[in-house]
This record gives sequence, structure tokens and C-alpha cells, in this order.
Amino acid sequence: EDQVTQSPEALRLQEGESSSLNCSYTVSGLRGLFWYRQDPGKGPEFLFTLYSAGEEKEKERLKATLTKKESFLHITAPKPEDSATYLCAVPDRGSTLGRLYFGRGTQLTVWP
Amino acid sequence: DADVTQTPRNRITKTGKRIMLECSQTKGHDRMYWYRQDPGLGLRLIYYSFDVKDINKGEISDGYSVSRQAQAKFSLSLESAIPNQTALYFCATSDSGASASNEQFFGPGTRLTVL
Repeated sequence: EDQVTQSPEALRLQEGESSSLNCSYTVSGLRGLFWYRQDPGKGPEFLFTLYSAGEEKEKERLKATLTKKESFLHITAPKPEDSATYLCAVPDRGSTLGRLYFGRGTQLTVWP
Repeated sequence: DADVTQTPRNRITKTGKRIMLECSQTKGHDRMYWYRQDPGLGLRLIYYSFDVKDINKGEISDGYSVSRQAQAKFSLSLESAIPNQTALYFCATSDSGASASNEQFFGPGTRLTVL
């Protein structure tokens, strides 16, 4: 059973059209939720860590929020350079070694 | 200079060949990981290590082995490559220190093709 589910799988937005990506998780006793950005053929790039329900973090046009069961990555007035795959991940509940379970990602395309 | 480097960046090999992928880091992190990424399947953990003397299997370790030669170096070997090991491979590191937030930092990846 997947620990992390991301939706939608793909999202196409026109430049300036705001939207949200979803990450839902089933692991209990959450010890952090991580968002990454991945460009084609490159390694994931760390964006945010969220630890508790109600927490929010922002970076440029991106804002990540966390509830008890899911996280949202809000993209405000996106630009073509925001096109990428966005991944979320949660730590393994029973692990002290920092193992992460990754979702399959949302592929975002922003067209001019 | 990149904090996490991987060599080679691209490799094409034949079925049955032995292949080694190497990872080096200058972040001073104690934990290192190897993942593979396949279209539609996301990132899957192959092996991980939280110090030089510790090696652990991940979700998909069959057909792979690893060596942690030093705190900064972690290599992945395919003893006898097969076509379904064609994938993008990533090395990652994280810090276990008291102030660490456990995020992982990834290398640029190695694209491996097994013919």
C-alpha cells in the first residue's frame, strides 16, 4: 500500500493561472513531510519541510501547507520556469535512519 | 562545485556485465542512500547507510550491492546487469545531527542503459 499519494499526476496551467497540488499520506505519527522539485534528467531539489498541521512555508510563487492527512503545494501566478515534477515524501514511521517514502509526483507544465 | 556528485553520468552496457556507480559528497553528512527512478514508479530505495560500518537493504536490493568506502563515498554495483535495471539512479545524503531536519540532498543522477 502506497504511503504517499500525489494528485493530479499531471497538470497543465496557463501562465498566471494559480492552482494546487495534493499529497496525501497514510503513515501515522508524521515526523516531517518534504517537498521536492525535479527537472527532467536531474536530481530532486529540496524545497520545504513541514512538521505539524497548520504549518505553512513559502518560497517565491510556492506555498506549502500541511494538515493531519495531506499537504498542498499552492502555486500562485505560475511562470513557465515553474514547469517541473513536484515530489512529496514522508519518513518511514519506524525508522531512525531517515528513510523516505516518495510519491510518484505531479508533472506540472506551465505554458505562456 | 556540486555537494553530491555521481559518476558516470551516463552509461550503456550489455547484459551480464558488472557495473559500478559511484557517489561522493562534500556535505559532511553521515547518511547516504541509493535510489532508482523509473517512469511511473517514482523513486525507490535500493540501499542505505547511516555510517561507514552500517549498510541496509531498501525496497529493491536484489541484483545490487553497495560499498561505503568512507563517510563521503558510497558506491552501487550491479554484479551482472540485466535490461530491467535500465533506469535513472540517484545518490542522496542526509544529516543525522541533533539540529538536522532529515531532508535528503540528491546528486545529479546516472542514466544507465542495459542492452
